[in-house]
Amino acid sequence: DIQMTQSPSSLSASVGDRVTITCQASQDISNYLNWYQQKPGKAPKLLIYDASNLETGVPSRFSGSGFGTDFTFTISSLQPEDIATYFCQQYDDLLPEITFGGGTKVEIK
Amino acid sequence: EVQLVESGGGLVQPGGSLRLSCAASGFTFSSYWMTWVRQAPGKGLQWVANIKEDGSEKYYVDSVKGRFTISRDNVKKSLYLQMNSLRAEDTAVYYCARGSYSAQGIPAAGIIDHWGQGTQVTVSS
Repeated sequence: DIQMTQSPSSLSASVGDRVTITCQASQDISNYLNWYQQKPGKAPKLLIYDASNLETGVPSRFSGSGFGTDFTFTISSLQPEDIATYFCQQYDDLLPEITFGGGTKVEIK
Repeated sequence: EVQLVESGGGLVQPGGSLRLSCAASGFTFSSYWMTWVRQAPGKGLQWVANIKEDGSEKYYVDSVKGRFTISRDNVKKSLYLQMNSLRAEDTAVYYCARGSYSAQGIPAAGIIDHWGQGTQVTVSS
């Protein structure tokens, strides 16, 4: 089974700061890596799919990069409405099993 | 507008059963992979199971194999999760979710682009 290691588990930053979250896969997953945002009491929301593609309607301050085993999610300028927990998630195009990272809780300093 | 509405959650004793349902609307249900994802209290997300557009393929996380069954009715535009032999560790909010399509236009079970609001399942005596 593929394991996803996400870091940090939490972070505190100021409005306007650049925020970076990383996700490492235990084996090569190509670009089959997605990022979700979950606000308290709400369902997750897809932000980035296939490592770097911005989902329709998602603000451009969110971006993703990476390939193989190492991936990065970035908020270029943190906004108050970005307070949430962010999850990475890998999938396999041949065997549709899914694994999520442990999550990163983002707070305002 | 895509809508996914779960129902059927509740309190059940260990060893008991529940059947979750998810009513879909706003899209061609029969053209999409569908998925169940759960979230234990204060914990992260865990994929539970998914099912191909026509129901011909089903996949489960190891911890529920042999106890849970995913199914769908494309006429009724509904997804189901039959949960048997429930354990305390199955306590979670269960989300119904839709698999999307890749940038190449291929059905991608692993790109989850819409989620329901979730239904709470509590396993306790």
